[in-house]
Amino acid sequence: SQQGEEDPQALSIQEGENATMNCSYKTSINNLQWYRQNSGRGLVHLILIRSNEREKHSGRLRVTLDTSKKSSSLLITASRAADTASYFCATAGDSWGKLQFGAGTQVVVTP
Amino acid sequence: EAQVTQNPRYLITVTGKKLTVTCSQNMNHEYMSWYRQDPGLGLRQIYYSMNVEVTDKGDVPEGYKVSRKEKRNFPLILESPSPNQTSLYFCASSWSSGEISYEQYFGPGTRLTVT
Repeated sequence: SQQGEEDPQALSIQEGENATMNCSYKTSINNLQWYRQNSGRGLVHLILIRSNEREKHSGRLRVTLDTSKKSSSLLITASRAADTASYFCATAGDSWGKLQFGAGTQVVVTP
Repeated sequence: EAQVTQNPRYLITVTGKKLTVTCSQNMNHEYMSWYRQDPGLGLRQIYYSMNVEVTDKGDVPEGYKVSRKEKRNFPLILESPSPNQTSLYFCASSWSSGEISYEQYFGPGTRLTVT
């Protein structure tokens, strides 16, 4: 069963615009992670946010976590064509070795 | 270079013919995991290992076996592959420390087709 669900499923924006995608989950978590995947290649870790954190930044990325709403958001600011990829959220629960991924948001950034 | 390697990268096989997909990491990570990725379903965890000789089931373990005899290697074994195991497989590893988990490093993937 999938824990995280991303929204929207697909997003098309122009270079320079911001991209926001959301992740909702069902049960309590130890941490939530965001990954990027380019066209069937391996996933690349972006940000890990722990259950006691509310916001984290990394370069042009900003992640928020609202445990009361069981949701997280990933914001990519000033997007570039190279940001075109699929983005996945993954949750680690109390048995933190188990990681559950959502189905992903496909982002296309056009020049 | 720190990396997770998988072999083979592509494999076409027939139903019932046992196969092994190897996974190796050079980062001295305690934790390793296998996932399969199917269109529209994201990644689903097959098995994971917290350390040598410690393995546990993920969400979709049926039809798969794993072993962790050495820290760096975590092979995935399909004893009798079936067409529904046609998928893109990823191995991943990460540090671990007690109850704290860390980001995972993924291999390049193995595309398996079972006819």
